[in-house]
Amino acid sequence: NAGVTQTPKFRILKIGQSMTLQCAQDMNHNYMYWYRQDPGMGLKLIYYSVGAGITDKGEVPNGYNVSRSTTEDFPLRLELAAPSQTSVYFCASSYSLAVVAKNIQYFGAGTRLSVL
Amino acid sequence: GQQLNQSPQSMFIQEGEDVSMNCTSSSIFNTWLWYKQEPGEGPVLLIALYKAGELTSNGRLTAQFGITRKDSFLNISASIPSDVGIYFCAGQLLETSGSRLTFGEGTQLTVNP
Repeated sequence: NAGVTQTPKFRILKIGQSMTLQCAQDMNHNYMYWYRQDPGMGLKLIYYSVGAGITDKGEVPNGYNVSRSTTEDFPLRLELAAPSQTSVYFCASSYSLAVVAKNIQYFGAGTRLSVL
Repeated sequence: GQQLNQSPQSMFIQEGEDVSMNCTSSSIFNTWLWYKQEPGEGPVLLIALYKAGELTSNGRLTAQFGITRKDSFLNISASIPSDVGIYFCAGQLLETSGSRLTFGEGTQLTVNP
């Protein structure tokens, strides 16, 4: 089972460049999330989605955009990369509460991004 | 926003020793989760707790959901080298949109053989 798949695994960007981090899940989960993890820190929520066509801001959304056109995919877009966006990005997914009462988030392996 | 304080930040122990780490919150949570993250990987769920006072074990791991719903601890007994990693607590309020998680800052565990 693939679970949550993130691509690319590593990327180096120059300041001002743009890129899209891809995330796909094959578990038919309604909820999907994007986090960033800075060195020595916990995970901070960037954006999340409760279903196709619905997205909402998390704790640290500035500088990022998301879309959710399908249940499976939840790409994260950086339009003008800045050094402050150097981080490890994790995508996660979970069932909605309507399906199961115990809402566990499953994580991808991460994308390591450096902005120079 | 909600804050989780996780301690200790790091631990250096000998193989065979027991380990204890905890999280406290300024807010109440419905669910407490404990994740482990190994280098180059995403967090993997270890234990999930759903009721205040609940004590749950997973092999050598034991975790408890505090009675006040504002804290949780994780114990690892008889540590082994493969226990090395970063352990994160996470609190979840199911009423929030998307059932968002709030993460602690992690406990880095090093086990010396």
